[in-house]
Amino acid sequence: QSVVTQEPSLTVSPGGTVTLTCGSSTGAVTSDHYPYWFQQKPGQAPRTLIFDTNHRHSWTPARFSGSLLGGKAALTLSGAQPEDEADYFCLFFSINIGEGFFGGGTKLTVL
Amino acid sequence: EVQLVESGGGLVQPGGSLKLSCATSGFAFSGSGMHWVRQASGKGLEWVGRVNTKTYNYATAYAASVRGRFTISRDDSENTAYLHMNVLKTEDTAVYYCMGIGGSSYWGRGTLVTVSS
Repeated sequence: QSVVTQEPSLTVSPGGTVTLTCGSSTGAVTSDHYPYWFQQKPGQAPRTLIFDTNHRHSWTPARFSGSLLGGKAALTLSGAQPEDEADYFCLFFSINIGEGFFGGGTKLTVL
Repeated sequence: EVQLVESGGGLVQPGGSLKLSCATSGFAFSGSGMHWVRQASGKGLEWVGRVNTKTYNYATAYAASVRGRFTISRDDSENTAYLHMNVLKTEDTAVYYCMGIGGSSYWGRGTLVTVSS
């Protein structure tokens, strides 16, 4: 069973760039794991930002991008805005069974 | 407009059962895997399980924490997914979300399940 690691908290300055990562205890995260990234603001349901590693949803601002970086899934925010302050969760699926695993989430502060 | 609406949550005693529904509209339900995700108060997201599409024989998969107690099903004619929960424990208390994945993914707003005596 995979343990998924994310940075518990990160801070970025307005207009700055930050990268959130999502690693697996069982090895490298690859595109075969179909990594997703979700944003959740207080009191709201999560919403999808990135699917299948690097595809933006129709509502995802272009300043968000997904990639694979050093064996992890990564979410890069370039040009942070105050409204980007939120919790960010990654999710990926085991290759054979398709069981899903969430990371513990990253609390992003824009300050 | 894409909509996923969960219903069926409520208060149930430990050991009891509950059935959640996820009624959807506005997206390709029959071509989407349907997942259930839960979130305990103040905690992160936990993947509960999923039912795949007819193409993949409606295959299911579950998290270890619910395997053997929860069952996920779907009715493509009604564009609805279900989560049957049995032998509920206090640690199952959470907001339960359904999520459709078919390319991108869409979320419902969630329904609260409280397991308490």
